[in-house]
Amino acid sequence: DARVTQTPRHKVTEMGQEVTMRCQPILGHNTVFWYRQTMMQGLELLAYFRNRAPLDDSGMPKDRFSAEMPDATLATLKIQPSEPRDSAVYFCASGLVPELAGNRYHYEQYFGPGTRLTVT
Amino acid sequence: SQQGEEDPQALSIQEGENATMNCSYKTSINNLQWYRQNSGRGLVHLILIRSNEREKHSGRLRVTLDTSKKSSSLLITASRAADTASYFCATDGGGYNKLIFGAGTRLAVHP
Repeated sequence: DARVTQTPRHKVTEMGQEVTMRCQPILGHNTVFWYRQTMMQGLELLAYFRNRAPLDDSGMPKDRFSAEMPDATLATLKIQPSEPRDSAVYFCASGLVPELAGNRYHYEQYFGPGTRLTVT
Repeated sequence: SQQGEEDPQALSIQEGENATMNCSYKTSINNLQWYRQNSGRGLVHLILIRSNEREKHSGRLRVTLDTSKKSSSLLITASRAADTASYFCATDGGGYNKLIFGAGTRLAVHP
């Protein structure tokens, strides 16, 4: 049963520390998304990759957040330096879009279990 | 701002009753999806309805879409305690195959 995996599941850190979250998308999927979920803001899209190339990171604070896909099996989200307001659950999701599909191809996203981040 | 807005924000019903959740969105769409999130878990895809469809069924789920009103509804029939979760609608109004999620409806089904 193919699943998106995320590590760590929980992270508690002090303000100013670097945080790295990792995601392994479902094998064969070519799109990866990073979301942040808080009670106040709900589910926010932070970054979106297609075939490992970043297509949209407009939802991500550029000064402290960075997202990368070193290879097709690993996506990372880094926060440096972390702040208390970054406390949230961070989800990774993946999906499969055919190569010739346009920007509005219909498909579902498969979510990982999330990383619960607490910055004190 | 979020593309989809669900209402009610919270819904509490008894087992066996039907649960209806509504979603409104702002821009034109090609498809609308519903996801479920159990407490402490990731979101799970439930159903996708295309803009040229008006109704779709999947087991106990029934989704309707009214593009003229920019709204959708999710009906869960004969609810069970296991249906207790948050339900989110998501639209593709953002382009680039990305989805914009609403704030969700928290459903509690009591035995």
